[in-house]
Amino acid sequence: NAGVTQTPKFQVLKTGQSMTLQCAQDMNHNSMYWYRQDPGMGLRLIYYSASEGTTDKGEVPNGYNVSRLNKREFSLRLESAAPSQTSVYFCASSGNLVGAGADTQYFGPGTRLTVL
Amino acid sequence: TQLLEQSPQFLSIQEGENLTVYCNSSSVFSSLQWYRQEPGEGPVLLVTVVTGGEVKKLKRLTFQFGDARKDSSLHITAAQPGDTGLYLCAGGGPDTGNQFYFGTGTSLTVIP
Repeated sequence: NAGVTQTPKFQVLKTGQSMTLQCAQDMNHNSMYWYRQDPGMGLRLIYYSASEGTTDKGEVPNGYNVSRLNKREFSLRLESAAPSQTSVYFCASSGNLVGAGADTQYFGPGTRLTVL
Repeated sequence: TQLLEQSPQFLSIQEGENLTVYCNSSSVFSSLQWYRQEPGEGPVLLVTVVTGGEVKKLKRLTFQFGDARKDSSLHITAAQPGDTGLYLCAGGGPDTGNQFYFGTGTSLTVIP
């Protein structure tokens, strides 16, 4: 049981290049999320998918696209990278806590992206 | 939109001291979560509080959910260097369309 996995762990891009960040979870969770984390800004939601086949914008969606490929996988694509997208990106999934009646999130290890 | 505010933003204390971190919101949440994040890692869940007034203990950590379910606190007794990290609160779940909102975090350093 690996939980939430992300690839790659590190990436350096030049301005204008594109790339896709991959995320997979093996906990049979319905909901998946992409966040970015910047110093002093906390975690900000980019996109989320409440269930397979649906995606919705979060707080900071501009410059990103997502695909919920199946229940396990949720990818984040940067079509034309900009220096402002330099950040640490986290994928997360959520499912009910047994007996608690509340959803909580489980995070991947992150992708550290630098755009030059 | 920053729905959750945490204080203090930074905290540096000596080993053995006690501390309290606060998470406040103007919104009501059905649950609040506390996470700890270590450098180079993703956040790891510490606890979820669901009921207003609820108190949960995790060894030397005590979590409280406000009666109105708008705020929460984390108290650490006799802090140890292993407690060093970024503490994040988050609110949300099914009542917010399965979106979660995070505070900006409290960076704790415990000096041996």
